[in-house]
This record gives sequence, structure tokens and C-alpha cells, in this order.
Amino acid sequence: EVQLVESGGGLIQPGGSLRLSCAASGFFVSRNYMSWVRQAPGKGLEWVSVIYRDGSTYYADSVKGRFTISRDDSKNTLYLQMNTLRAEDTATYYCARNRYSGSYYVDLDYWGQGILVTVSS
Amino acid sequence: DIQMTQSPPSLSASVGDRVTITCRASQNIISSLNWYQQKPGKAPTVLIYAASTLQSGVPSRFSGTGSGTDFTLTISNLQPEDFATYYCQQSYSTPVLTFGQGTKLEIK
Repeated sequence: EVQLVESGGGLIQPGGSLRLSCAASGFFVSRNYMSWVRQAPGKGLEWVSVIYRDGSTYYADSVKGRFTISRDDSKNTLYLQMNTLRAEDTATYYCARNRYSGSYYVDLDYWGQGILVTVSS
Repeated sequence: DIQMTQSPPSLSASVGDRVTITCRASQNIISSLNWYQQKPGKAPTVLIYAASTLQSGVPSRFSGTGSGTDFTLTISNLQPEDFATYYCQQSYSTPVLTFGQGTKLEIK
């Protein structure tokens, strides 16, 4: 059974850093493309970042230069290192597996339960 | 950047009704459009991918149509468990994925 479990969230002051983890089971993170998606309280979904099988990484403009996505294949775990956090980064963060059905066809077929990050003084 | 515009933002309907939610892309995205359902406090789940392919396990009362810039999600014979928020998401600009603003479907 495929499962994704996030951890590492919490309350952090503006300017601080936090690392989120997403432990996967039922499949190999290294053989898949993996994304982070966030949702501010009461708001919609925002794609944050993706890591490809070959290790290539991409980011939303809103987090570029501040967030880093990575993975540990030995632990089958995805990470999101978040630096220089701002109040507007407050959100529930989800990790998700990318499913490819063709060159332009990507959906997110498995999601974690989400972890709340609150940036506030 | 590709923008996704969903309408309506909210919708009231009754059990047994048929409802349609639309999603418009700011440019041609062929059929690279997905639909998700999200219930309060839960992660989204994919309903429809590639505009019209029903995800395994999703009831057949859900259907998706469209290509290019205009897409629709139709739910026939609404059931109590269908009251949720629905999001469209484009993947034409992969690796960047863009979601619509969401449509909250409420019980009338």
C-alpha cells in the first residue's frame, strides 16, 4: 500500500528555518517524481517544488532561492528545507507523488496527510 | 505563466442534482487538465486526469470533458459524500503545475 507521511512542521518565527520530511512506503521515491504542494489556511492549493528521478529540482517563483527539495534514497524519504520563512509561507504542506501519463500529462496520484507550518512571532 | 480560472467559486445543490464546474486556461493546454476533490481537513484526491480519464475507484457519476482552454467537471446524481471543494490543475507547463482557485460545493 502506498503511503506518504509528513513530519517536521510547527511554529517558527519569521526569518527562521524548518525542514519537512515525507516518509514514503509502498514505492520508491528514487524511481518517481515527487512534489510538495501547500495550502494556506482557508485558501487554495499552490504547487511548491518537484524533484525528478535524475535529481533535477524545480521551484515556484514564490519560494525560489529560499526552499530546497531533496531526498534520501536510503531512507525512502523526501525533504523540503525551508529558509528565510515569511508569514505568507504559513500553510499546510503536502508531499505528493507525480504520475506521468504522457509528455504533458502529470497528476498527483498519492498525497500525504499534510503538515502545518505556522510562521509567526 | 498559465493561469487557471474556475467557476463558480461556490455552488449550492441538492442530493440527486447534476452539477457542472468549469475551468478555463489562459492558453491552450491540450488535454493536460486534472480534477481533484478535497474534503475539510483532508488531502486532495484525484478524480479525473488527462481531462477525461476517470481515476480508478472513482464513481462513474463523475466525468470530465474539454480540451484546449475550456474544461468541465460534471457530477451526476449528487451524493452526500460529494459535497467538498473541487480543484482543477494544469500540467502543460510541467514541471510547474498550476491549480484553479477551487469550487466549494455545498448542500442546498
